[in-house]
Amino acid sequence: GAVVSQHPSRVICKSGTSVKIECRSLDFQATTMFWYRQFPKKSLMLMATSNEGSKATYEQGVEKDKFLINHASLTLSTLTVTSAHPEDSSFYICSANFGNYGYTFGSGTRLTVV
Amino acid sequence: DQQVKQNSPSLSVQEGRISILNCDYTNSMFDYFLWYKKYPAEGPTFLISISSIKDKNEDGRFTVFLNKSAKHLSLHIVPSQPGDSAVYFCAASGSSNTGKLIFGQGTTLQVKP
Repeated sequence: GAVVSQHPSRVICKSGTSVKIECRSLDFQATTMFWYRQFPKKSLMLMATSNEGSKATYEQGVEKDKFLINHASLTLSTLTVTSAHPEDSSFYICSANFGNYGYTFGSGTRLTVV
Repeated sequence: DQQVKQNSPSLSVQEGRISILNCDYTNSMFDYFLWYKKYPAEGPTFLISISSIKDKNEDGRFTVFLNKSAKHLSLHIVPSQPGDSAVYFCAASGSSNTGKLIFGQGTTLQVKP
């Protein structure tokens, strides 16, 4: 149980375009999801906390207009990278919280902006 | 401000021996700690966790030790197997931070046959 499905697993886009990444909880309802970013050989950095039905909470230094988060239902959160640039190329991972201190992660999305 | 630190970027051990991965934290409000294993281009996989009310938790070959006074935890893998080769992240959470996980920088473990 407690599976999170993340799509796409890989995406290549041109500079200036927008990319949407989806994160779905398959067998549980996730009122809270988290979006992380991982640079090569670096830690997973929390970008934002996605709350169902309300605005996301962004970590310091993360541009909310650049990384749009929508959590319109209890099973789906989306991260849209707007006007992507090469420096946005990274590995993005979502996570959902279930129960008390239960966390499950998506398989990640490798974004390459060319 | 790195609240969770893994000071060893890499560790190499021989198959069958013990692997010890270390993690330090600075925030005394953390009350739950987790270890994850991660392969390149994949999401982290949960290994084992420990609550701050305990000082040890064991699951098969994996044991996590917590020293609250030192704000230090460690993951022991014994015996180590080549399939254990991966990046290991420790993470911390607290009731005061709305459930979000704070990760360390990761330690790359290589288990040699």
